[in-house]
Amino acid sequence: GEDVEQSLFLSVREGDSSVINCTYTDSSSTYLYWYKQEPGAGLQLLTYIFSNMDMKQDQRLTVLLNKKDKHLSLRIADTQTGDSAIYFCAEKRLDDYKLSFGAGTTVTVRA
Amino acid sequence: DVKVTQSSRYLVKRTGEKVFLECVQDMDHENMFWYRQDPGLGLRLIYFSYDVKMKEKGDIPEGYSVSREKKERFSLILESASTNQTSMYLCASTTGLAGGREQFFGPGTRLTVL
Repeated sequence: GEDVEQSLFLSVREGDSSVINCTYTDSSSTYLYWYKQEPGAGLQLLTYIFSNMDMKQDQRLTVLLNKKDKHLSLRIADTQTGDSAIYFCAEKRLDDYKLSFGAGTTVTVRA
Repeated sequence: DVKVTQSSRYLVKRTGEKVFLECVQDMDHENMFWYRQDPGLGLRLIYFSYDVKMKEKGDIPEGYSVSREKKERFSLILESASTNQTSMYLCASTTGLAGGREQFFGPGTRLTVL
């Protein structure tokens, strides 16, 4: 199956930028996603990017995709305490129902 | 507003019991999914369904079965619960061919098997 890998933990100071990294192995991935899970809640889609794009920006969120290295990153500008959560990277092929998720990165924002 | 609901937030069962986890979506989505979430492992797909009465095995179907008798409802069944099925279970739905784009998730059911 497809492998999606992320680092497990990230600690960041309030007001700084956070960068969460993800690597994937399936070169035929078409959609790449970032989901956020707050404590005790389900997953909420933050943003996604098509594999023919290099970058996508949405307010404080910037997604960068390096297709050659199969590397995806999520940058959160001006990180706030409400950004403390688990962030999941996921990928999906156009012709498949399945999402393949990484293990999730727990982001802790400290004052 | 899009909504996926799950019948219980927390559930405690004993080894050997039959367990039903229910999921309902109100978006008329064709596709529904059951995942389990474990620390350090992320989400792993148990089963999915792309139409009423249709089901496909995911990556970890052993010990589970599913039922989709109506479009809006997708049930996960543990025929004989075991302690290694203690986990967070998440249901999701989406529309479109080949699974669409965004999957919408329910709040999860935290199941403990004693």
